[in-house]
Amino acid sequence: GAVVSQHPSWVICKSGTSVKIECRSLDFQATTMFWYRQFPKQSLMLMATSNEGSKATYEQGVEKDKFLINHASLTLSTLTVTSAHPEDSSFYICSADRGNQPQHFGDGTRLSIL
Amino acid sequence: EDKVVQSPLSLVVHEGDTVTLNCSYEVTNFRSLLWYKQEKKAPTFLFMLTSSGIEKKSGRLSSILDKKELSSILNITATQTGDSAIYLCAVETGTASKLTFGTGTRLQVTL
Repeated sequence: GAVVSQHPSWVICKSGTSVKIECRSLDFQATTMFWYRQFPKQSLMLMATSNEGSKATYEQGVEKDKFLINHASLTLSTLTVTSAHPEDSSFYICSADRGNQPQHFGDGTRLSIL
Repeated sequence: EDKVVQSPLSLVVHEGDTVTLNCSYEVTNFRSLLWYKQEKKAPTFLFMLTSSGIEKKSGRLSSILDKKELSSILNITATQTGDSAIYLCAVETGTASKLTFGTGTRLQVTL
């Protein structure tokens, strides 16, 4: 079946570091991917919609200069958390749009900023 | 602003019990309602309900969409400890397939 691969699965780094997370669709092409953030004991919140070949669409309250999204190919979207701080620590999850099929999620990236 | 609300927030039951989880929504441009199960990692898909498919069943799990009441329920019969998880309801809207998630219901099944 369709698989979405997300890497890395967890990251621990110092405050001020930039962190890149990759999301790949392994056996299908995804013109649209989505990035979510989930804080402990909370639900998933959509951060942005990543569109292949064009700029991402960010949800209200999400800083586009802080969370850089690049969707350069039909199988890869990346999220870069720039100058990360402890408040950016969270579980980041990507998903890929498959048209009329349900979105398939990656396994998520647990980000811890010290 | 699109809104999805789930109840209860948490639930503890004994193995073998039947549970009903609720989801209500207020959104524009509804496309579908989805149920996901989340354990330690990302959500895994359970059901997708649309105007043309308002009732789904898979084993001990079943779900119904009530478009008139703007709500859905997820039933789990003969619960097992492996059913312990967070159950998320999400509504898909618009042409961009955007998902709005509810707060989730944390289900714990005890022996």
